Amino acid sequence: GQQLNQSPQSMFIQEGEDVSMNCTSSSIFNTWLWYKQDPGEGPVLLIALYKAGELTSNGRLTAQFGITRKDSFLNISASIPSDVGIYFCAIDDNYGQNFVFGPGTRLSVLP
Amino acid sequence: NAGVTQTPKFQVLKTGQSMTLQCAQDMNHEYMSWYRQDPGMGLRLIHYSVGAGITDQGEVPNGYNVSRSTTEDFPLRLLLAAPSQTSVYFCASSSGRGLAFFGQGTRLTVV
Repeated sequence: GQQLNQSPQSMFIQEGEDVSMNCTSSSIFNTWLWYKQDPGEGPVLLIALYKAGELTSNGRLTAQFGITRKDSFLNISASIPSDVGIYFCAIDDNYGQNFVFGPGTRLSVLP
Repeated sequence: NAGVTQTPKFQVLKTGQSMTLQCAQDMNHEYMSWYRQDPGMGLRLIHYSVGAGITDQGEVPNGYNVSRSTTEDFPLRLLLAAPSQTSVYFCASSSGRGLAFFGQGTRLTVV
């Protein structure tokens, strides 16, 4: 099956810092997704990307669909304590029928 | 606005027992799916459904059964529980284009 790689696996940052994380694949995909999972909850969609090169923002979050269609990046500006959680990238492998998730980036924000 | 509802939230089973994890959605989505989440491995697809009466296997289907008799419900059955099935299980529904909504999860321990 498809495999996504995320880096870093985990990161500890100070409140107020900016954060960058990325997701790569060996295959080309037409939809890239970013989800966040709070402790004890299910994942929640943050940003969906549908076009190579697309740059989309959602508040302090910005994500980009790589031009090669094999990667995507997520940036968080001015981190706050509620940004703590696991960030998953995902691809839509079968028109909404089959999502493949990366292993996640675990973010910790230190006050 | 219930969204996706999973029951139970927690369950302990003995090896060899069977049980059904319930999932219901009230958004009239055609697509529903079940994932399991294990530490460091992201979410892996177990089974999915593209509509009532239609199901298919995902990445890790062994040991699990599903059926979809209505649009709203998509139960997951463990036939002979094994310790390897200890995990957190998430149900999701989707309208397509990557816009999946997840339940809060069922934490299952098999002893």
